[in-house]
Amino acid sequence: SQQGEEDPQALSIQEGENATMNCSYKTSINNLQWYRQNSGRGLVHLILIRSNEREKHSGRLRVTLDTSKKSSSLLITASRAADTASYFCATGQAGTALIFGKGTTLSVSS
Amino acid sequence: KAGVTQTPRYLIKTRGQQVTLSCSPISGHRSVSWYQQTPGQGLQFLFEYFSETQRNKGNFPGRFSGRQFSNSRSEMNVSTLELGDSALYLCASSLVLGGSTDTQYFGPGTRLTVL
Repeated sequence: SQQGEEDPQALSIQEGENATMNCSYKTSINNLQWYRQNSGRGLVHLILIRSNEREKHSGRLRVTLDTSKKSSSLLITASRAADTASYFCATGQAGTALIFGKGTTLSVSS
Repeated sequence: KAGVTQTPRYLIKTRGQQVTLSCSPISGHRSVSWYQQTPGQGLQFLFEYFSETQRNKGNFPGRFSGRQFSNSRSEMNVSTLELGDSALYLCASSLVLGGSTDTQYFGPGTRLTVL
């Protein structure tokens, strides 16, 4: 069953613009992770934010977590064509497997 | 360090056959998880192995099985293949048990097509 639900399902932007993706989940979590997948390949881990953290940065990525609203957002600043991919949030709880959402497909055109 | 490797990368089988997929985790990683990815269902957890023992299992029929060897390499087997088993099968490794509490490193996947 899906725990995380990303919004929007698809996003098209121009190079240089910012891209924001949101993720909502249903139950309490230990952490929330974001992954990127390029066209039918393996997933690449982007960032992990723990339940006691509110914001995390990694390069051009900024992730926020609001446990009271059970939601997270991923912001990619100054997007590049190479950022074109599907982005998944995944929630983690101790003793269980990661549960992935269905993803947001980001298309960045030059 | 070498990343997670999966073999084969592509596989075509017919209904009723069985298939074995292999995964070698990152050196030092003891947890291996398997996922099935399809356009309709997205990423679905199959099972997780740690120290040669299955620790978690997803909601898949008994036709899906796996094992882990003493060197942490893992295999998954699907018997009596059905058309709906066509998918990208992803393997992920992590340092600790309960990969959901730690970063998981994914392999490139095995694309299985069932005809």
